[in-house]
Amino acid sequence: GENVEQHPSTLSVQEGDSAVIKCTYSDSASNYFPWYKQELGKGPQLIIDIRSNVGEKKDQRIAVTLNKTAKHFSLHITETQPEDSAVYFCAASQWGGGGADGLTFGKGTHLIIQP
Amino acid sequence: DSGVTQTPKHLITATGQRVTLRCSPRSGDLSVYWYQQSLDQGLQFLIQYYNGEERAKGNILERFSAQQFPDLHSELNLSSLELGDSALYFCASSVKGEMGTPLHFGNGTRLTVT
Repeated sequence: GENVEQHPSTLSVQEGDSAVIKCTYSDSASNYFPWYKQELGKGPQLIIDIRSNVGEKKDQRIAVTLNKTAKHFSLHITETQPEDSAVYFCAASQWGGGGADGLTFGKGTHLIIQP
Repeated sequence: DSGVTQTPKHLITATGQRVTLRCSPRSGDLSVYWYQQSLDQGLQFLIQYYNGEERAKGNILERFSAQQFPDLHSELNLSSLELGDSALYFCASSVKGEMGTPLHFGNGTRLTVT
C-alpha cells in the first residue's frame, strides 16, 4: 500500500516569514495529493489539493508543488499569520480509480507562528 | 463548519464494552469515510461507504463494524473495547465514491476507554 512520509514534525517560523512542509510518497500510481489543516478540537479541513497532471497550484498565500519523478510534494505558506498555527497533514491517493486504500496521510506537521 | 455532524463529541467507557458513533454527512454527499486518529498512528483509514454499500476497507479491526443507512447517515460500532482503542474517530463525506474527491471531515468523537 501507499506510504507517506512528512517532514518536519514541528516547524516554528516568525510571523511574516514563509513555511515549507515536505512529503514523499511511495506508490507511483497515486495521483491526488490534498493538504489538510487541523486546528485544536476540530477535524481536518482541506486547504488545497493537486492532481498529478499539474506541477503547481496556488491559492492566495498557499501553494503546493508536485514532483512526480521524485515522488514528493510540498506545501508553501507565504507571509505567515498567527491563524496559520495548526497541524498540517499531507495525503495521497489514486484519483478516480478503484483504489481501496482511502487517503493515506502523513504524520502531520505542527506549525507554530511566532509573533 | 464542514457540514458533517458527528455525535457524541466525547465518550468514556470501560474495557470490554461496546459503543456506537454516529455521523451525518454533508447534504448531497453520498460517500462516508471513517478514520481513526491516534498520537502514534496518525490518521488511519478504516472504511468507506457509498450510497449504502461498503466501498473500501482499510485498517479496520474485526471488532469494529460500520453501516450506512438509507438516509445516508452512518454508524461505526466498536465492540470488546480495549485501552488501545482510545482515539479520535473522524467521519468524512464526499459527493462521489471515487478516491481523490475532496473529503470534508466532521469534528470527531473522542473515545476514552478506561
